Amino acid sequence: EAEVAQSPRYKITEKSQAVAFWCDPISGHATLYWYRQILGQGPELLVQFQDESVVDDSQLPKDRFSAERLKGVDSTLKIQPAELGDSAMYLCASSLRLAAGGGLYEQYFGPGTRLTVT
Amino acid sequence: AQTVTQSQPEMSVQEAETVTLSCTYDTSESDYYLFWYKQPPSRQMILVIRQEAYKQQNATENRFSVNFQKAAKSFSLKISDSQLGDAAMYFCARFGNEKLTFGTGTRLTIIP
Repeated sequence: EAEVAQSPRYKITEKSQAVAFWCDPISGHATLYWYRQILGQGPELLVQFQDESVVDDSQLPKDRFSAERLKGVDSTLKIQPAELGDSAMYLCASSLRLAAGGGLYEQYFGPGTRLTVT
Repeated sequence: AQTVTQSQPEMSVQEAETVTLSCTYDTSESDYYLFWYKQPPSRQMILVIRQEAYKQQNATENRFSVNFQKAAKSFSLKISDSQLGDAAMYFCARFGNEKLTFGTGTRLTIIP
């Protein structure tokens, strides 16, 4: 069964360092999402891609976070510089293309990258 | 902000018994979707059940069923014949404005 792949699974970094996470969505899924899940809370959307284009990055702290999906397939989320408050689980999800005028396809989640900033 | 509220941070149930997890939500839309996701320890989040708001009939998936009260904006999950593998964090979520909004989760423990 196809799955969303993420790496690394765990990352420990020092404050002010740069860190990057990688996501490979299910083949054929045009829509890709990055979520941040702080311990004890539900996931919050950081950025959404449709193919290589950003659809929604309103909750992405753009002073330190960046995301790209250059060829519309895999994606990278970067934090530079990392802060203590960035410690969280970063989840990637993918779904089929958003339907014109709305509509919904199920989002499939990857295992996440657990980031600890010291 | 349109929120999703799960008022039970933790629940426990005896194996083979039934448990209900609560969820309320806020929305100004007439057309939206509601979900329950399960997140086992150190494993990825998976979809348990979904409900389209325009459907009056409550969704059912094997041992999982929902009680959808649209006017009250309530969406509870009932797990029947609880099994050890049901132990996980359960998240209620609402899809609206092309965005998925999650609640804070309920940790479910199954007592053997």
